[in-house]
Amino acid sequence: GAGVSQSPRYKVAKRGQDVALRCDPISGHVSLFWYQQALGQGPEFLTYFQNEAQLDKSGLPSDRFFAERPEGSVSTLKIQRTQQEDSAVYLCASSPRVGGNTGELFFGEGSRLTVL
Amino acid sequence: AQSVTQPDIHITVSEGASLELRCNYSYGATPYLFWYVQSPGQGLQLLLKYFSGDTLVQGIKGFEAEFKRSQSSFNLRKPSVHWSDAAEYFCAVGPGPTSNTGKLIFGQGTTLQVKP
Repeated sequence: GAGVSQSPRYKVAKRGQDVALRCDPISGHVSLFWYQQALGQGPEFLTYFQNEAQLDKSGLPSDRFFAERPEGSVSTLKIQRTQQEDSAVYLCASSPRVGGNTGELFFGEGSRLTVL
Repeated sequence: AQSVTQPDIHITVSEGASLELRCNYSYGATPYLFWYVQSPGQGLQLLLKYFSGDTLVQGIKGFEAEFKRSQSSFNLRKPSVHWSDAAEYFCAVGPGPTSNTGKLIFGQGTTLQVKP
């Protein structure tokens, strides 16, 4: 597809379960970001990849959160032992540029996680 | 601390009326500035961006924004609002070319409702 694709669009998990969220960025986009958007809030940065290298993971809220992009294209955000406060929309974004020059980000529609 | 403030959480305007959405930021250096729009169930879409140069920037859908360094503001305007403009609007700041990541800091968002 032409845009950023995320799956699943909706995920309901019981507290304590592990979840994996997938992002397919636009083909050829070097930069990939994950953001967390809680209800009624703006997106908050989680982590940044340049190709397969995770250059910034300062926004990951705890060691239960893990992200990877092993081949520099598809990325997976994994949340272990989910808690209710993890309930949010997880947004993936990509850019053809790198670092501070990424400029415009192209966002996917997000994966809405609800933890019961 | 780096932050973005959108003072108006919710705004209602009549169709055809003018619109101004406020954005103030706190940042150590001159940032890159963005406005994104998010319609229900959709990903964030870039409306416009400011990197340097002319402080009045034009975007898509008839939107414009003015960067005022002295006020640390980047307000979004539209002369005549259409019903399809009803959505959530996010102001964001980015670090510019000296950073090795392009992570954006978003405001809380302003929800725009358009009355017929």
